[in-house]
Amino acid sequence: DTEVTQTPKHLVMGMTNKKSLKCEQHMGHRAMYWYKQKAKKPPELMFVYSYEKLSINESVPSRFSPECPNSSLLNLHLHALQPEDSALYLCASSQFQDRHNQPQHFGDGTRLSIL
Amino acid sequence: DAKTTQPPSMDCAEGRAANLPCNHSTISGNEYVYWYRQIHSQGPQYIIHGLKNNETNEMASLIITEDRKSSTLILPHATLRDTAVYYCIVRASSGTYKYIFGTGTRLKVLA
Repeated sequence: DTEVTQTPKHLVMGMTNKKSLKCEQHMGHRAMYWYKQKAKKPPELMFVYSYEKLSINESVPSRFSPECPNSSLLNLHLHALQPEDSALYLCASSQFQDRHNQPQHFGDGTRLSIL
Repeated sequence: DAKTTQPPSMDCAEGRAANLPCNHSTISGNEYVYWYRQIHSQGPQYIIHGLKNNETNEMASLIITEDRKSSTLILPHATLRDTAVYYCIVRASSGTYKYIFGTGTRLKVLA
């Protein structure tokens, strides 16, 4: 069982819909991450939050909007997505962002399909 | 930032040791090497990490060469449940500390 919980596990949405992905951890971690993973490829970093503030945005299109309401919760708001945005979206957390000796812990992801 | 290279696939007989290599020839002095695995339809699972000394935990052993340019993950007695994609990762030293994933090795454990 993973200590990072992501909901929903699966999501199908049209290109005009608005939806949100949710990620939760209760390990007291202060850094949280969103990754995108296409089939048979490694995960690609999208966003990093450190102490609830956006630390890294990897030039992600504005149709993806992250939010960190508190230290345990991370959301990814989706609007006007394209078919090529269909992927597995992974959330991860680590105790801190800026330390080398810090493994990240991943959730099992939300599998997103855009019709 | 350092990068990693891994063989795309490997097979291992059940019960035998699986040795997964990773090259990280441009790693810098304070960058750790992390290993994760990803079983189909799940998120990456942390296995082990190390800096320069060999490390062992309940899942695996990590052997890092003295020059730190390569490492090997060892699963001592592979089972069918170890079939997965194994990622060798270094963490960027450029100030972002973000993970730099390799392309992964698809390990298939054969009965």
